[in-house]
Amino acid sequence: DGGITQSPKYLFRKEGQNVTLSCEQNLNHDAMYWYRQDPGQGLRLIYYSQIVNDFQKGDIAEGYSVSREKKESFPLTVTSAQKNPTAFYLCASSRAGSAETQYFGPGTRLLVL
Amino acid sequence: QKEVEQNSGPLSVPEGAIASLNCTYSDRVSQSFFWYRQYSGKSPELIMSIYSNGDKEDGRFTAQLNKASQYVSLLIRDSQPSDSATYLCAAAGYSTLTFGKGTMLLVSP
Repeated sequence: DGGITQSPKYLFRKEGQNVTLSCEQNLNHDAMYWYRQDPGQGLRLIYYSQIVNDFQKGDIAEGYSVSREKKESFPLTVTSAQKNPTAFYLCASSRAGSAETQYFGPGTRLLVL
Repeated sequence: QKEVEQNSGPLSVPEGAIASLNCTYSDRVSQSFFWYRQYSGKSPELIMSIYSNGDKEDGRFTAQLNKASQYVSLLIRDSQPSDSATYLCAAAGYSTLTFGKGTMLLVSP
């Protein structure tokens, strides 16, 4: 059963805390992406990776970090430097190339306590 | 700055009518375009992709692309209440997709 999984579904962050969102795919896709979605807004790109051990900043990378040690996994860390982290976080993957369809995981909703 | 513009809506249509969703894009380099449907609280799911000028049909859905006018549209025939969702348009750049903010569609029974 191929797909993209994200965990947890809901995540609560305390002030000054770093939290990590998990994204795993078994589609054998080379490229993976992290987006942030705020209410009534479109998707804004945080980071993307087109190959293992390489990743690029998107439009809103400040306050976030990523790693890509395995093809299947692309975790996102929301650091304490991100002052407004409350949002819906979406992970996506695609075959290599910009023209390829991106498929999305179910998302993680991050809330600040 | 690459931009994809969509009317935020809501677009309200009665059940059985044709819903027409529109999108314009700023980057002339874009060659591939995608329509996603997003239900409230859920992640986007792909409806259609389109790469060439003209129409592409898939069931009740038809995507239309006009690269000269930098315009993409999605027609939904025989709209159903289950089609009520936000529809996101996306344009491919060199490495990533740029998404519009989406158009909310409401189909009333």
